[in-house]
Amino acid sequence: EVQLLESGGAVVQPGGSLRLSCAGSGFTFRDYTMHWIRQAPGKGLEWVSLISWDGSDTYYVDSVKGRFTVSRDNNKDSLFLQMATVGFEDTAVYYCAKGRIGYSYGSIDSWGQGTLVTVSS
Amino acid sequence: IQMTQSPSSLSASVGDRITITCRASQSVTTHLNWYQQTPGKAPKLLMYGASSLQSGVSSRFSGSGSGTEFTLTISSLQPEDFATYYCQETYSAPYTFGQGTKVAIK
Repeated sequence: EVQLLESGGAVVQPGGSLRLSCAGSGFTFRDYTMHWIRQAPGKGLEWVSLISWDGSDTYYVDSVKGRFTVSRDNNKDSLFLQMATVGFEDTAVYYCAKGRIGYSYGSIDSWGQGTLVTVSS
Repeated sequence: IQMTQSPSSLSASVGDRITITCRASQSVTTHLNWYQQTPGKAPKLLMYGASSLQSGVSSRFSGSGSGTEFTLTISSLQPEDFATYYCQETYSAPYTFGQGTKVAIK
């Protein structure tokens, strides 16, 4: 069974930094593109970033480019999101998610339970 | 690419047939996915490739479309189907979601 477990969510001040982690299990982590998706309180889903199976390609939504960095450690089956210069608009539940097909981009078939990031002064 | 869903919300009864529309601002061919989210839970993949049913998902769900216009149909609403539904394009990053359609009980 695929499991994705996010951690690292916290209350952070505007302008601060935070690192989110996601531990994957139940699948061959190194074979899959991984995503971060967020959901502000009471709002819809916003795709944030992806990293290819080997870490060679990364993509970001415009609102986080230059502030967030996605990375992965395939030896530890782990995904990361380094968040910097956070603003109130970054307050959200952050989901780690797995691509449906190995060695490709596309739909997401598994999600973690999410970790809450609250930006507050 | 902008994704626009309609309606934003709807009320329906158990047994009803409902259709949700998703429009893309430019062609995404068939790189269109549908997700279901219930309150407090992570989203669940229903359809991928516009019309392919994800394994384990009920056949009362169906999807169609290509290019810029897509639909998700639930043939006979069940109590567990009252949720919010999102489309997402995966043709070109960033992989934008629609704003969601909340399906409520009438």
